[in-house]
Formats: sequence, structure tokens, C-alpha cells
Amino acid sequence: TQLLEQSPQFLSIQEGENLTVYCNSSSVFSSLQWYRQEPGEGPVLLVTVVTGGEVKKLKRLTFQFGDARKDSSLHITAAQPGDTGLYLCAGVRNSGNTPLVFGKGTRLSVIA
Amino acid sequence: KAGVTQTPRYLIKTRGQQVTLSCSPISGHRSVSWYQQTPGQGLQFLFEYFSETQRNKGNFPGRFSGRQFSNSRSEMNVSTLELGDSALYLCASSNSGGLNEQFFGPGTRLTVL
Repeated sequence: TQLLEQSPQFLSIQEGENLTVYCNSSSVFSSLQWYRQEPGEGPVLLVTVVTGGEVKKLKRLTFQFGDARKDSSLHITAAQPGDTGLYLCAGVRNSGNTPLVFGKGTRLSVIA
Repeated sequence: KAGVTQTPRYLIKTRGQQVTLSCSPISGHRSVSWYQQTPGQGLQFLFEYFSETQRNKGNFPGRFSGRQFSNSRSEMNVSTLELGDSALYLCASSNSGGLNEQFFGPGTRLTVL
């Protein structure tokens, strides 16, 4: 059983469309991170959310941490081909030196 | 600051052989973690080293081992390679803050024939 479930697994959309991807768990996390990975590269950290209900914006990307700190969402407005990649969420279950738990990711393809 | 570097980038081995992968973290980062990424299982945590000591370990067999040197550079070794070990091996360094934010290298693509 995956501790962090991401949905959808795959998403293919046209340039200019909006989309939301989800990261869900039955466990509580002290913080949650989102990464984007492009082919042939390692994941790159986009954002970290810490407080339940927190919303962070990064240009056209909006990240939200659930009130109960069990889930998160990433909303992209007016998607562009440069947004194509694998989006991974990762959580810290307890504060301190515990390893991150990763979801399997959402593979996004934005077609021009 | 230079990013995380990994060598080699690509590697082809045969079953039964062993392999050593190398990782140089971001300057000043004392924590180095290793992950295995496959299409089926996603990103799975192998182990973490901090100040030359293994601090956390994932659920992998003993054929997977690692070490960290005094300059924080790290190596991981896989002995008696199996076909299922074919994967992208990612190294990440962290500044050891409570958020455990990972800075990844580009990975080593290992193919076992």
C-alpha cells in the first residue's frame, strides 16, 4: 500500500488549459513537498508546505496543504509545454531526521 | 553553488557483477540520501548518511550498501547484481534542516543484462 497516493497517474492536456493534481494519504505529515522531474534529470524541489490549510503560489502554480495535513493539491493555470514532467509529492511523517515518503507521481504532458 | 553531481551517468553491467556509484553533494550539505527509481515502484528510499554514519535505512536487501566520506561525498555499492536492479539511482543532499528538503543529482542509469 502506497503511503502517498497521487492522482491522476497520467494527464495529457492542451496548452492553455487548467489542471489539478492530487496527493492523498490517511497519515498526517508534518510537512509536504512537491517536486518536478524532467526526462533524464533528477527531481527539482518546487515548494514545501508546512501549515494545515497553507496555500503557496509559484507563478502559475498554486499549492495547497489540507487542513488536516493529510493531503495536498497542485493547480496549474494556463499550462504551457514547459510544465511537462513528472510531478512528485513527498511527505515528512514526523519532524526530525526521518526519510521522505514519495508518491509515485503524476506524469503531465502539455501539448502545444 | 555547484549542484549535486553523480558519476557515472550511465552504466551497463551483467548479472552477478557488482557496481559502485558516486555522489558529490552541494557544498555544506552533510546529509546524503540515495533513492532507486523505477517505472513500477516509483522513487524508493535506500539509505541516508550524515557525518559518515548511516542515519536511516530503507527496505532493501543487504546487497545494497553505502558509505560517506569525511568530505560528505558518498558512494553506494550493489553486489551480485540482479536484472531487477536496473533503475535510475538518484542521490540527494540536504542541509539537514527539519524540512528535509532534497536537492537531487541527475542520477545514474544502471542497466543489468
